[in-house]
Amino acid sequence: DQQVKQNSPSLSVQEGRISILNCDYTNSMFDYFLWYKKYPAEGPTFLISISSIKDKNEDGRFTVFLNKSAKHLSLHIVPSQPGDSAVYFCAAGGPGGYQKVTFGTGTKLQVIP
Amino acid sequence: GAVVSQHPSRVICKSGTSVKIECRSLDFQATTMFWYRQFPKKSLMLMATSNEGSKATYEQGVEKDKFLINHASLTLSTLTVTSAHPEDSSFYICSARSLARTGKETQYFGPGTRLLVL
Repeated sequence: DQQVKQNSPSLSVQEGRISILNCDYTNSMFDYFLWYKKYPAEGPTFLISISSIKDKNEDGRFTVFLNKSAKHLSLHIVPSQPGDSAVYFCAAGGPGGYQKVTFGTGTKLQVIP
Repeated sequence: GAVVSQHPSRVICKSGTSVKIECRSLDFQATTMFWYRQFPKKSLMLMATSNEGSKATYEQGVEKDKFLINHASLTLSTLTVTSAHPEDSSFYICSARSLARTGKETQYFGPGTRLLVL
């Protein structure tokens, strides 16, 4: 039972353009969402998070949007850079912050120079 | 940012032996640490939640006698894979929960340990 889903296993984007990574969840009890970036054979690196009381959080080139009614969140990276090429995981936790986090299946982003 | 280390980064062992993996939070105290397992081309699967000074909480389907977790201090948690079998070969990742004075929680991940059981 995959409670957090990333339906696109891969995405290719031209350098300088916007990358949009999508994530859907099924558990309405989740109230905290995170995005992680992961290189092969390394642990995930935290990128950005959002709580369910917000619908948008921005940090530099990264913006996360949350649509609670649709149980959908997305990560926008603009402008995309070749160094952004990695696997991106969305994750969800809660209720009440996160004691444990459920990860999505990941989307491999390739930014083409 | 906060740093979490894992040791060893890579281990190869014979079937039937036990392997211990250490997870350390280097510049903060972590009352809670998590252990994940990642299968090839799969998501990170939470195995257990490790709380300092108490027994670990295991996720459904994870054998607690197989995967022994000890959280002896605020900066160290260990995962011991007992009587390892080839199907235990995987990438094991720990994370440590950091709670800032602002109340903001963040999970910092270790670099992972690649286990290969022959």
